[in-house]
Amino acid sequence: KAGVTQTPRYLIKTRGQQVTLSCSPISGHRSVSWYQQTPGQGLQFLFEYFSETQRNKGNFPGRFSGRQFSNSRSEMNVSTLELGDSALYLCASGLAGGPSYEQYFGPGTRLTVT
Amino acid sequence: AQSVAQPEDQVNVAEGNPLTVKCTYSVSGNPYLFWYVQYPNRGLQFLLKYITGDNLVKGSYGFEAEFNKSQTSFHLKKPSALVSDSALYFCAVRDINTGFQKLVFGTGTRLLVSP
Repeated sequence: KAGVTQTPRYLIKTRGQQVTLSCSPISGHRSVSWYQQTPGQGLQFLFEYFSETQRNKGNFPGRFSGRQFSNSRSEMNVSTLELGDSALYLCASGLAGGPSYEQYFGPGTRLTVT
Repeated sequence: AQSVAQPEDQVNVAEGNPLTVKCTYSVSGNPYLFWYVQYPNRGLQFLLKYITGDNLVKGSYGFEAEFNKSQTSFHLKKPSALVSDSALYFCAVRDINTGFQKLVFGTGTRLLVSP
């Protein structure tokens, strides 16, 4: 079974631009979560989508948004990029059957904002 | 709020020796605890989880973890370390207060296994 895939793997953008990252979950997984990883803040939860609905959101500004499609693929968008948005963005998929189920992570998208 | 703490930024161990990576937790309700490992330029790989039942949980790559309710700890262990175990290890707890799938991670512990 194929794992979680994320595209692109690396991205360089300029301040003020916007960016869209894509995530394809493991087949059969309906929950997709996004996390931001930085050296200073560690791993922080961005949001979770299930059946095309956002059902949980972390403490991030409105510039960070996402969506999920009917095939469970998800995208996240960051508008008006700031230098502090430079990070590794990780997508995770899971069965979403309850709190005991683990999530499986993709390789991440490394975003650099200059 | 659900949280986990990893008190050591780095753990050094010689190959062949046992290793322990520490994690303590603070939760309301039942704890759902996880360990993940991250290799350079890679995402997180699931190692093991504690949900309920036996306090000793066995996972991937020979790792195991010991759940201790009285000490609120969930330490990761391996009887004999390999150089290839060198990586960044994260302890995490499911945030059942907000529900759904959100994980709250510790700050991570870098494990260095010397030949």
